[in-house]
Amino acid sequence: GDSVTQMEGPVTLSEEAFLTINCTYTATGYPSLFWYVQYPGEGLQLLLKATKADDKGSNKGFEATYRKETTSFHLEKGSVQVSDSAVYFCALSDGSGNTGKLIFGQGTTLQVKP
Amino acid sequence: KAGVTQTPRYLIKTRGQQVTLSCSPISGHRSVSWYQQTPGQGLQFLFEYFSETQRNKGNFPGRFSGRQFSNSRSEMNVSTLELGDSALYLCASQQGGGRTEAFFGQGTRLTVV
Repeated sequence: GDSVTQMEGPVTLSEEAFLTINCTYTATGYPSLFWYVQYPGEGLQLLLKATKADDKGSNKGFEATYRKETTSFHLEKGSVQVSDSAVYFCALSDGSGNTGKLIFGQGTTLQVKP
Repeated sequence: KAGVTQTPRYLIKTRGQQVTLSCSPISGHRSVSWYQQTPGQGLQFLFEYFSETQRNKGNFPGRFSGRQFSNSRSEMNVSTLELGDSALYLCASQQGGGRTEAFFGQGTRLTVV
């Protein structure tokens, strides 16, 4: 079945460092890909999305490109801030488009130190 | 535009009891999905309702059930609670079809003692 694999955390970076969180997926059909972020005690917030191959999603300095050839959707940010500390989830939608179900990776905790 | 509202935010129940959680989606959204989040299993899909019909179901026992009303509000029920049901339950609201982004509520933290 469809699945998402994320790099294990925690990831600890200094402020202004470059961030990469790896995400690879296995899917049938034509899924959309998403990155969600979860702050302590909160639900998930959509960070960015991409709906087809070679699409680049971007928001708040974060970027990810839908790579069908490598089945990847890696999250990047050029300069992280302390406020970016959170748990990041990569997710894919059902490839058939017939359901809103999302499949999530296990989450990667990011800690940014001043 | 109001976001997704889940009530209550916190619940403490005793093993063997039952519990009902509520979710009000974003106005105009017809799809509501429920997820269970635990440290060990991560985020797992419970079920999805679309226009009052269950459209998809995850791999959970029959003790977990849900429904959706004509105004798209949804409830999920867990009967005969077990300690392992302690989790954060998240509701997600989507406009309609698949492949669209889901908007999440803040969740209901259920603790079973």
